[in-house]
Amino acid sequence: EVQLVDSGGGLVQPGGSLKLSCAASGFTFSGSAFHWVRQASGKGLEWIGRIRNKANNYATAYAASVQGRFTISRDDSRNMAYLQMSSLKTEDTAVYYCTRHSGYYDSTGSFHYNYYMDVWGKGTTVTVSS
Amino acid sequence: QTVVTQEPSFSVSPGGTVTLTCGLSSGSVTSSYYPTWYQQTPGQAPRTLIFSTNTRSSGVPDRFSGSILGNKAALTITGAQADDESDYYCALYMGSGIWVFGGGTKLTVL
Repeated sequence: EVQLVDSGGGLVQPGGSLKLSCAASGFTFSGSAFHWVRQASGKGLEWIGRIRNKANNYATAYAASVQGRFTISRDDSRNMAYLQMSSLKTEDTAVYYCTRHSGYYDSTGSFHYNYYMDVWGKGTTVTVSS
Repeated sequence: QTVVTQEPSFSVSPGGTVTLTCGLSSGSVTSSYYPTWYQQTPGQAPRTLIFSTNTRSSGVPDRFSGSILGNKAALTITGAQADDESDYYCALYMGSGIWVFGGGTKLTVL
């Protein structure tokens, strides 16, 4: 079964740091790209950032609201993606979802990206409060 | 900063047809933005409905369809059912790896 399991959420003080984890199973992790998306209580979805695969130099991209404070990384040997959050603000309080960027291997074994997120974790809750 | 716009709420009668839209604060939505639609029920993670404007994700009923209508992306539900009552989000690809979600539409079926 294709699955993402987000973890690592909790209560942190403003200005603090927290690292979220995303454990993947059921598919070839190394070829995939991953995003983080968050949702404050009663609010909409907000895209935070994404990391591509080794063939694309693990390139990252971030939303302006988190640029410079959040860092996405991955460990292909462990099938894990991470979201390191620092200088946290109360407005970072949200449920954080790890998602997979859809893609496929062609007949030659080359990986190609589609343009959407196809698998979602169940989310992990981050509360920034004093 | 580009804002992706959606109707905050919509209602439809059971069996009826409803079209939700996804626009830009400046400019037109085209297929080059790879419009994607997600459905979310309370307490659950989002589920992918439509990607690349009009392609249904695996397992999505054919009463859901996507298109470009005028200068917006659109999600049409034909023959709405009670369990279609959800929040619907569109997402647009802005280039350079950046995605932006719309504010979401709360759909009521009554």
